[in-house]
Amino acid sequence: QQQVKQSPQSLIVQKGGISIINCAYENTAFDYFPWYQQFPGKGPALLIAIRPDVSEKKEGRFTISFNKSAKQFSLHIMDSQPGDSATYFCAATSSSNTGKLIFGQGTTLQVKP
Amino acid sequence: ETGVTQTPRHLVMGMTNKKSLKCEQHLGHNAMYWYKQSAKKPLELMFVYSLEERVENNSVPSRFSPECPNSSHLFLHLHTLQPEDSALYLCASSLGGSGYASTDTQYFGPGTRLTVL
Repeated sequence: QQQVKQSPQSLIVQKGGISIINCAYENTAFDYFPWYQQFPGKGPALLIAIRPDVSEKKEGRFTISFNKSAKQFSLHIMDSQPGDSATYFCAATSSSNTGKLIFGQGTTLQVKP
Repeated sequence: ETGVTQTPRHLVMGMTNKKSLKCEQHLGHNAMYWYKQSAKKPLELMFVYSLEERVENNSVPSRFSPECPNSSHLFLHLHTLQPEDSALYLCASSLGGSGYASTDTQYFGPGTRLTVL
């Protein structure tokens, strides 16, 4: 019940296309869902995060869509650029206690010029 | 130096060696973390310190021994490791303090790539 399942494992998108990464969780106590971006040779960095009181959050070309009833959330990268090529991790946790941040397996995105 | 730094960046060690990984954060945070990152697996939380006290210990084998002498420094002492311990070890920090929360943004260092022969 503590798992976060992420798909696909890898993704290749043409420049200008839309990249979509999906995550699913089981623990209904989770109420904070961040996405982290990791470039080669670097540590992960927070990209965008959402709480379940909204169904969508947009920051520039990055949008999180959240479906509470389905216990799923996804990251959409609009107008994908070669500079977006990185590994993306979804994560989830509960703010009601000092529980740990549970990460998905990661998605390696390659945006072709 | 800014952010979170880790040394060394690469480490090769034999199964009988003893080595230490060092992490330093320059963000004024009070919580620090060790994660293990293996290929195609989720990041595995190993240890969490808040205000220099260990608050999370995720059933990590005793051959990994953390040390947090102050809120800016975190060490991971390694001894008698196994080849399956080869991975990228990431350090992170967050605001933390008495109000330590898993929703605090975590700031990661670049990691130490460890190879155990």
